[in-house]
Amino acid sequence: AQKITQTQPGMFVQEKEAVTLDCTYDTSDQSYGLFWYKQPSSGEMIFLIYQGSYDEQNATEGRYSLNFQKARKSANLVISASQLGDSAMYFCAMRPTGNQFYFGTGTSLTVIP
Amino acid sequence: DGGITQSPKYLFRKEGQNVTLSCEQNLNHDAMYWYRQDPGQGLRLIYYSQIVNDFQKGDIAEGYSVSREKKESFPLTVTSAQKNPTAFYLCASSFRGEGYTFGSGTRLTVV
Repeated sequence: AQKITQTQPGMFVQEKEAVTLDCTYDTSDQSYGLFWYKQPSSGEMIFLIYQGSYDEQNATEGRYSLNFQKARKSANLVISASQLGDSAMYFCAMRPTGNQFYFGTGTSLTVIP
Repeated sequence: DGGITQSPKYLFRKEGQNVTLSCEQNLNHDAMYWYRQDPGQGLRLIYYSQIVNDFQKGDIAEGYSVSREKKESFPLTVTSAQKNPTAFYLCASSFRGEGYTFGSGTRLTVV
């Protein structure tokens, strides 16, 4: 069975601080992709970062980095130097073999000035 | 610019009515998807289509129907059989193993 777990329903972070959003996954596929999306209050889903299961280096995109620990099946998102505009819902997703994605239940991040 | 267009942004349905949500993409993506989002439950897959004239049920297909007559279009009909249709609906597309591109969503409310 394919499953994505996000255990933090809500998180708070002080502006300019770093924050880690947790994500664990379960799949029997050897080849899979891990994604993080941001959903602001407007509802659109914004792609943030991607990690392939065979990638040896952790993915980074600007202030976003993905802490990929394959043996522990975790793919945590790290946001550095938080900004007020980072306040949103964040979804972790997995794409095993095939095109279908599986999403976690999301983490609501609030950045405090 | 290439992208996915969902319309309308807001939709109101009376009890017992069928309504159709539009999803159009000009990205030349083969696969298209419909998701439903309720608070606290993340995204749940309703239907998906890998090629024209073919589609498969997702986890919560009951009360919904789709068609895929053109590569660019994947409309979703919410039928009267769907007892709790109030939700946010997201359409997405992808190209052979790449990430999803999402539309901006349709918020459906039963009145």
